[in-house]
Amino acid sequence: RKEVEQDPGPFNVPEGATVAFNCTYSNSASQSFFWYRQDCRKEPKLLMSVYSSGNEDGRFTAQLNRASQYISLLIRDSKLSDSATYLCVGSGTYKYIFGTGTRLKVLA
Amino acid sequence: ETGVTQSPTHLIKTRGQQVTLRCSSQSGHNTVSWYQQALGQGPQFIFQYYREEENGRGNFPPRFSGLQFPNYSSELNVNALELDDSALYLCASSGDGTGLLKRQYFGPGTRLLVL
Repeated sequence: RKEVEQDPGPFNVPEGATVAFNCTYSNSASQSFFWYRQDCRKEPKLLMSVYSSGNEDGRFTAQLNRASQYISLLIRDSKLSDSATYLCVGSGTYKYIFGTGTRLKVLA
Repeated sequence: ETGVTQSPTHLIKTRGQQVTLRCSSQSGHNTVSWYQQALGQGPQFIFQYYREEENGRGNFPPRFSGLQFPNYSSELNVNALELDDSALYLCASSGDGTGLLKRQYFGPGTRLLVL
């Protein structure tokens, strides 16, 4: 089993839709959690950290479920500019462990 | 922008050659981590340098080596290049402490193509 697993997609959704991504993690990737956004041929950029109590940043909501070892990202009111690959990250003692990424395409 | 810079931005090499990639960390950061991202995959951890010492290593062969300098900038060296080494190489810097201080900030990457 991979240390961090996520559905590669692609998720094709219309503008204005709500879309959710899930990601599961193993014990070796369980110190801290993040969602990164990566545009084509660019470096990953931090979208948001994921806190135990869940957290929201505008249209984005992240949740952590330690009992089931998964994290989620919810995007509300999708915009065309949200089209990107979303990387789930769990951290070990010193390294970040990335999932393969989930591709999102928001359609006009 | 994160303040992390990498050079060169693009590079083309042939099999068997050697390559050196460079990274300048964000001001105040003393830790540099290197990642390899193949097409369609998430970044994979190569190794980390903390205060000029290797602090951890991923599942990469010894022909991947690194160095960190007193100013905390870093180099990644790859010997005997193979076709599968073609990837985006990302450098991330972070600081001491916990929470925000330990968060990793990524540079723009070096895209390496091995022919």
